[in-house]
Amino acid sequence: DSGVTQTPKHLITATGQRVTLRCSPRSGDLSVYWYQQSLDQGLQFLIQYYNGEERAKGNILERFSAQQFPDLHSELNLSSLELGDSALYFCASSVDKATEAFFGQGTRLTVV
Amino acid sequence: GIQVEQSPPDLILQEGANSTLRCNFSDSVNNLQWFHQNPWGQLINLFYIPSGTKQNGRLSATTVATERYSLLYISSSQTTDSGVYFCAVQNTGNQFYFGTGTSLTVIP
Repeated sequence: DSGVTQTPKHLITATGQRVTLRCSPRSGDLSVYWYQQSLDQGLQFLIQYYNGEERAKGNILERFSAQQFPDLHSELNLSSLELGDSALYFCASSVDKATEAFFGQGTRLTVV
Repeated sequence: GIQVEQSPPDLILQEGANSTLRCNFSDSVNNLQWFHQNPWGQLINLFYIPSGTKQNGRLSATTVATERYSLLYISSSQTTDSGVYFCAVQNTGNQFYFGTGTSLTVIP
């Protein structure tokens, strides 16, 4: 157990819908990362937060948004879902930059 | 961004065999981690190794930061070692750059 909790584990939804993925980082970790893993794209960085503030943004679509709350948990919102959004979404946390990061078990999203 | 290349892309081993996985990266880094993604999709931390050598049971890793590569050694492989091994690096601390992984299959 990495100590990073992601919910839900599995999600099946229809095209056009909106979903929210939740991540609780390890106790004491201030930095949260979101990654998308699809079969043909590998692990793609989406966005990073540090202590509530957005720190870096990667290949995140405009239909996607995220935030980190005062209690440091984070949510990734995916809207107007398309079939191509089906993927495994990972959250990771670390104490700070360049420190060891731990990944949650992921949320497997299937868009039908 | 940093380019991360892993080799070999695929590896099939007989149980009990040893192997070496390589990770090359294109720029200086201050964080390097090795992960094992098991068949259920979980990313499991193996090593946090920005430089030097570490060992954990049958696994060991070495990073030569000045030459921009890292090696993961698996000895006496077991079927439970099967999965994909990823190398990930950071330099500014803002994101991890992942390699495309080495897919390992260990045959009984």
